[in-house]
Amino acid sequence: KQEVTQIPAALSVPEGENLVLNCSFTDSAIYNLQWFRQDPGKGLTSLLLIQSSQREQTSGRLNASLDKSSGRSTLYIAASQPGDSATYLCALRGAGGTSYGKLTFGQGTILTVHP
Amino acid sequence: DAGVTQSPTHLIKTRGQQVTLRCSPKSGHDTVSWYQQALGQGPQFIFQYYEEEERQRGNFPDRFSGHQFPNYSSELNVNALLLGDSALYLCASSLISGTYEQYFGPGTRLTVT
Repeated sequence: KQEVTQIPAALSVPEGENLVLNCSFTDSAIYNLQWFRQDPGKGLTSLLLIQSSQREQTSGRLNASLDKSSGRSTLYIAASQPGDSATYLCALRGAGGTSYGKLTFGQGTILTVHP
Repeated sequence: DAGVTQSPTHLIKTRGQQVTLRCSPKSGHDTVSWYQQALGQGPQFIFQYYEEEERQRGNFPDRFSGHQFPNYSSELNVNALLLGDSALYLCASSLISGTYEQYFGPGTRLTVT
């Protein structure tokens, strides 16, 4: 059974800092990995998707990496802004069998960027 | 291009009642998945529909059932509501082919009293 862990559970940083959010998983047989952002009480916004054959993806100030062999992914946010404050979730799609089709989520990291 | 839409936004029900939640997928998408998100937790997979059939199911009791219509929209039904069913219910749509990237709706907040 795939288990996804996100560390830290919460993070508070001053505006302008670069930061890294971590996601670890127990089963390396994944199809892809998505990073999402969730504002309080709202739905999920997809930030980046990394296919299992890729090592990283970039979008603006965001960079996500994937290391299947070690069961880890990181989300790097450059030059953080107060508007980046939200919960960040990583989710994996399994590569086949009973895992295929569904996303397995971590618990999320609550990020607060203060001015 | 409309994204994923869900209705209603909020719902309050009494224990033992039944509820129906609705979802319209992103234009061009053919697959709908439902997730339950309890407060402070990550979303948990309920089930996925494609071609009007349930293709995969998570660890949820039979009180949770669904349907997909020919226009790809979907409903989630929950019978005999329990207090523990209070959560944010999220619908996600995707294409059965390609990257399978999932796009989420705004969710329905269900409160069971």
